[in-house]
Amino acid sequence: KQEVTQIPAALSVPEGENLVLNCSFTDSAIYNLQWFRQDPGKGLTSLLLIQSSQREQTSGRLNASLDKSSGRSTLYIAASQPGDSATYLCAADQAGTALIFGKGTTLSVSS
Amino acid sequence: NAGVTQTPKFQVLKTGQSMTLQCAQDMNHNSMYWYRQDPGMGLRLIYYSASEGTTDKGEVPNGYNVSRLNKREFSLRLESAAPSQTSVYFCASSEAGGLGYGYTFGSGTRLTVV
Repeated sequence: KQEVTQIPAALSVPEGENLVLNCSFTDSAIYNLQWFRQDPGKGLTSLLLIQSSQREQTSGRLNASLDKSSGRSTLYIAASQPGDSATYLCAADQAGTALIFGKGTTLSVSS
Repeated sequence: NAGVTQTPKFQVLKTGQSMTLQCAQDMNHNSMYWYRQDPGMGLRLIYYSASEGTTDKGEVPNGYNVSRLNKREFSLRLESAAPSQTSVYFCASSEAGGLGYGYTFGSGTRLTVV
């Protein structure tokens, strides 16, 4: 059974800091790895999708990497801003079923 | 672009009442999914439909039924609501079971069972 773990569960940083969110998964038979952002009381916004054949994806200040062999993905946020405060969810697209989610990392960026 | 539309957005039910959560997507996606999100538990898969005419159980299917009405619509039914079903429910769709493509989520339904 696929298990997705996100570390840390919560993170507080000052504005301008670069940071890394970690995601690990137990079964490497995945199609994709997708990162989402969720604001309090809101839905999920897709940030980055890394297909199984890719190593990384970039969008603006965000960069996500994928290492299937080690079962790890990271989300790098450069020059963090207060508007980046949210919960970040990692999800592995499990072959034959559906997205399996981690419990998220709640990020707080102070000005 | 509507994407994935869920109705209703909020609902309060009494224990034992029934209701159906509606989900529709306009992206011509083959696969659709229902998740629930609870504090400390993350998002968990209830049911999914890999293609029109098929449905399969996910991690937490007990107490729920689903219907893939057509390619666009996938409904979730609570036959006899229980307080343990108080949660936020999300519907999602993907083009081909996620093969190389991402998932799109609706904005959610907040359900309270009293």
